[in-house]
Amino acid sequence: KQEVTQIPAALSVPEGENLVLNCSFTDSAIYNLQWFRQDPGKGLTSLLLIQSSQREQTSGRLNASLDKSSGRSTLYIAASQPGDSATYLCAGTPAFGGYQKVTFGIGTKLQVIP
Amino acid sequence: DTGVSQDPRHKITKRGQNVTFRCDPISEHNRLYWYRQTLGQGPEFLTYFQNEAQLEKSRLLSDRFSAERPKGSFSTLEIQRTEQGDSAMYLCASSLGDRLNYGYTFGSGTRLTVV
Repeated sequence: KQEVTQIPAALSVPEGENLVLNCSFTDSAIYNLQWFRQDPGKGLTSLLLIQSSQREQTSGRLNASLDKSSGRSTLYIAASQPGDSATYLCAGTPAFGGYQKVTFGIGTKLQVIP
Repeated sequence: DTGVSQDPRHKITKRGQNVTFRCDPISEHNRLYWYRQTLGQGPEFLTYFQNEAQLEKSRLLSDRFSAERPKGSFSTLEIQRTEQGDSAMYLCASSLGDRLNYGYTFGSGTRLTVV
C-alpha cells in the first residue's frame, strides 16, 4: 500500500523567508504528482501538477520538483508571505495498479509570521 | 464555469438520519471522485466515476454509503443511518483526461457533523 510522508508536519517561519516542504512515497513508481493548499475548513486548491513527462513545475513564488527514482518531491516557496499560511498536501498517482488511487499525505501546516 | 461546486457546505444531522450531498463537477470533466477527510488527516479515496459508470469503491465505503452520477454530470453521495464516525469533510474532485495528467480540481467540500 502506498504511503506518503510529508516533512515537516508543521513549520513556522518569519515573513520573507524561503522554505522547502518535503514529500516522499513508499512506492517510488509515481506517475504524476500534485501539490495542494488547504485553508482551515476549506477544500483543496491545486498549486502545481508535475505530469508524467516532467520533473518540475513553477508558478510565481512556488517551485515543485519530483525525483521519480527516489519517489521524493519538494515544494519550494520563495519570499514567504502571511497569506501563504495554510496546510500543504502532496498527492501522487501510482504508475501501476490503478491510476485512480491517488494517495495524499497528511500535509505540512505552515505559519508565516508577519 | 466556476469550478467544482458542492452543496451543502455544512450539514449537522442526528445519528441515524440519512443525508445526501451533491457535487457539480467542471462541465467538461468526465471523471468525478469522492474523498473523505477527517481532522488532521489527508483525504482518503471513497469512490470514482468515469462518466456515469462507478468504476471503483473503496473499502471505506460501507453499505450505508451510496454514490450516483446518473447522467454523467452531477453526482450525489448518500449516507444512510449516519453514525458519529461519519463526521468528516466530504470532498468532491473532477478531472479530465487519461491518468490524471490534467490533475484534480476539488470543490470546497461538505462538512458533516453527526450528533
